[in-house]
Amino acid sequence: GNSVTQMEGPVTLSEEAFLTINCTYTATGYPSLFWYVQYPGEGLQLLLKATKADDKGSNKGFEATYRKETTSFHLEKGSVQVSDSAVYFCALSDGSSNTGKLIFGQGTTLQVKP
Amino acid sequence: EAGVTQFPSHSVIEKGQTVTLRCDPISGHDNLYWYRRVMGKEIKFLLHFVKESKQDESGMPNNRFLAERTGGTYSTLKVQPAELEDSGVYFCASSRPGGIVETQYFGPGTRLLVL
Repeated sequence: GNSVTQMEGPVTLSEEAFLTINCTYTATGYPSLFWYVQYPGEGLQLLLKATKADDKGSNKGFEATYRKETTSFHLEKGSVQVSDSAVYFCALSDGSSNTGKLIFGQGTTLQVKP
Repeated sequence: EAGVTQFPSHSVIEKGQTVTLRCDPISGHDNLYWYRRVMGKEIKFLLHFVKESKQDESGMPNNRFLAERTGGTYSTLKVQPAELEDSGVYFCASSRPGGIVETQYFGPGTRLLVL
């Protein structure tokens, strides 16, 4: 079945460091791919998305490119801030069904230190 | 526009008791989803409503879980009787009617602890 695998956390970085959180997926068909973020004490927020191969999603300095050849959707940011500390979830929409349900990775906790 | 709201934010109950979680979606969103994150693992799909109809309930773990969405507005998720393994964070999400790639907007979640 469809699945998403994220790199293990937690990830601890200093402010202004470069961030990469790896995400790979297994899916039939042509899923859409998402990154959601959960800040402390809050709900999940959509960070960015890509709906087809080679699309690049971007928001708040974060980017991720839908790579069909490597089945990946890695999240990157050139210079992280303390306020980016959160849990990041990679997800895909299950294109094999008509419900739009999301399949999530296990989440990666990011801690940015000043 | 108000976001997705969930009530209660936290619930602590004993094994064997009943708990009912509530979700109010964004107004006009026909699609309503329930998800659960257990013990820091991945967030897993439970079920999907389109208006008041259950479109997909393949993720419901067992018959101790009952979800309803009477009138196609808010939804409730009842766990009866609760077991220890039901502890986790229950998220609700809603999206506009339309294609399956519509963005899902999540609520803050209900943290359930079963002792």
